Amino acid sequence: GENVEQHPSTLSVQEGDSAVIKCTYSDSASNYFPWYKQELGKRPQLIIDIRSNVGEKKDQRIAVTLNKTAKHFSLHITETQPEDSAVYFCAASTNEKLTFGTGTRLTIIP
Amino acid sequence: DAGITQSPRHKVTETGTPVTLRCHQTENHRYMYWYRQDPGHGLRLIHYSYGVKDTDKGEVSDGYSVSRSKTEDFLLTLESATSSQTSVYFCATDDAGVYTGELFFGEGSRLTVL
Repeated sequence: GENVEQHPSTLSVQEGDSAVIKCTYSDSASNYFPWYKQELGKRPQLIIDIRSNVGEKKDQRIAVTLNKTAKHFSLHITETQPEDSAVYFCAASTNEKLTFGTGTRLTIIP
Repeated sequence: DAGITQSPRHKVTETGTPVTLRCHQTENHRYMYWYRQDPGHGLRLIHYSYGVKDTDKGEVSDGYSVSRSKTEDFLLTLESATSSQTSVYFCATDDAGVYTGELFFGEGSRLTVL
């Protein structure tokens, strides 16, 4: 079955710097890759997603890149702000199964 | 936020007792899911439903059962709770098709089994 690995498990960056979270997946049939943000004590919420026919997608300070050949995708957050502090989950979907990564706790240092 | 509510939000119970968690949605979404969230494991699918009375197992379904008698309600039952089922449980819905679009999560239900 699908295996999604996410790194790093924790990440601390200075406010204003960039943060990068990386995920790899094992099933080449995966074609949908969402990213969820979960603030402390809150529900996960979708922040950006990408489909397999696209290599990169941006939404303001957030971008996701996908390398299908290498089976990895990454979340990039630029100009980080205190409100970016949260746990981020990547996921990969084959349309029959959605598998989540184990999460990255991002801390923004003022 | 999508109108998804879970009850109870917090529950403490003893090993061997039955527990039912309820998920209620007002979005008329076809698909509903139950996940559990544990440190180091992310979100793992327990069961899901693709319509009224239509359900299927996820990756960690042992010890859990579900029912969906109405579009808006999806119940998760632990027939005989064990300490390994201590977790935070999230209900989610979507309307785009199984695993092809955004999941809308409820607020979560924290279950402690003593």
